Parts: sequence; C-alpha cells; structure tokens
Amino acid sequence: ETGVTQTPRHLVMGMTNKKSLKCEQHLGHNAMYWYKQSAKKPLELMFVYSLEERVENNSVPSRFSPECPNSSHLFLHLHTLQPEDSALYLCASSLRRDYDEKLFFGSGTQLSVL
Amino acid sequence: GNSVTQMEGPVTLSEEAFLTINCTYTATGYPSLFWYVQYPGEGLQLLLKATKADDKGSNKGFEATYRKETTSFHLEKGSVQVSDSAVYFCALNQAGTALIFGKGTTLSVSS
Repeated sequence: ETGVTQTPRHLVMGMTNKKSLKCEQHLGHNAMYWYKQSAKKPLELMFVYSLEERVENNSVPSRFSPECPNSSHLFLHLHTLQPEDSALYLCASSLRRDYDEKLFFGSGTQLSVL
Repeated sequence: GNSVTQMEGPVTLSEEAFLTINCTYTATGYPSLFWYVQYPGEGLQLLLKATKADDKGSNKGFEATYRKETTSFHLEKGSVQVSDSAVYFCALNQAGTALIFGKGTTLSVSS
C-alpha cells in the first residue's frame, strides 16, 4: 500500500463517452502527476501539479483534461477518446516537485477505449 | 535529449539464480539514477537510487552502481526469489526535469 489510491481500477468506454479518473493521496504531498503506461513503451509523463497549480503539460491532446481541486485529489477527465488511448493510467505523488523526490504511485486505472 | 535504455525482456530465471538487468543512459551533466519495480496489479515503487558517480544503491538484496564512465546503472541480485517476479524500470532525472523512464524489463522467476 503506497498511500495513493486510484479509482476505478478498470474502465471500458466508447469513443463518445465522458468519464473521469480519480486519484487521492493523504501523504501530505504537494506534487501530483499523471503518467500513461503503454505496452513496450516508456512511461509517459502527462501532467504535473505542484501546490494545485499545473506546472507541466507534455503536449497531451485536449481530450485529456486534468483537474486538481486540492493537494490531496487529482482527476483526469476523458472525452472523445481514441482506441490508441487505451493504456494503464498511473497517478503519482511526491513531497515536493523536486524530481529527486521519491514518487509514490497508485495501482493505476486500466482504460480500454472501444 | 536525456534517455534511458534497458535490456529487452522478458528475463526468465530459476529461483536462486543471479540477476543482471542492464541499464544505460544518455544525459548531459550528472543525473540521479533510479530503479523502480512494478509488481503485478500494482503501481511502481522506488527500489533504489544513486545520486552521484560511484554511489551504490541497495535495497531488498538488489544493488546498482552509478558508473559515469560507462553511463550505466545495472541492477543486480545474487539470488532471486519467485516473489521478485515483476517489471523493473530504470529512470533518471536532472534538476528541473521530470523522471525519464526506460521501457521496463519483465522478470519471471520460477521455482
């Protein structure tokens, strides 16, 4: 148990659906991250939030929309996704947005887009 | 740009065998280096790290030494167990940049 909880664990959605992924941490961390994990590819950093402010957005398509209402919660809103967006989406947190800090990962949401 | 290259998997070993998973990196300056492990159905966990040349990171019987001259950070364990079966990720970062991960190497240990 890493202290980072993601829901749902599995999600199947059609290309016209709208859904949201949720991430929660009560570790007192100030930085939160979304990563995409696809088979046979390196983990891709999607978004970074520090103290609830988005500080990094790595050319992610606008069909992915993050939200960080407070330092304990992070959402990823999904709409009009494509089949190639099927992947494991991992949330992580760290004490600060100093990249030498240890990252704590959730178990991920396995997303399938039909 | 910065990058991490790991050996292709899967790596299949018998219990108590010696493990090496190769990792090399490309970076300017002096990055910090990490190994993360992902057990089935779980997120990644930090396994060990090294922040400067010749540092050795170690944890749970795993070791890796930061070799600047060969730009490598190979993961080793003297005697693997079935419970070590997982995906192992090498990663690096430099100040002001996000962690850069390799593609991951799957280890399967049989009894």
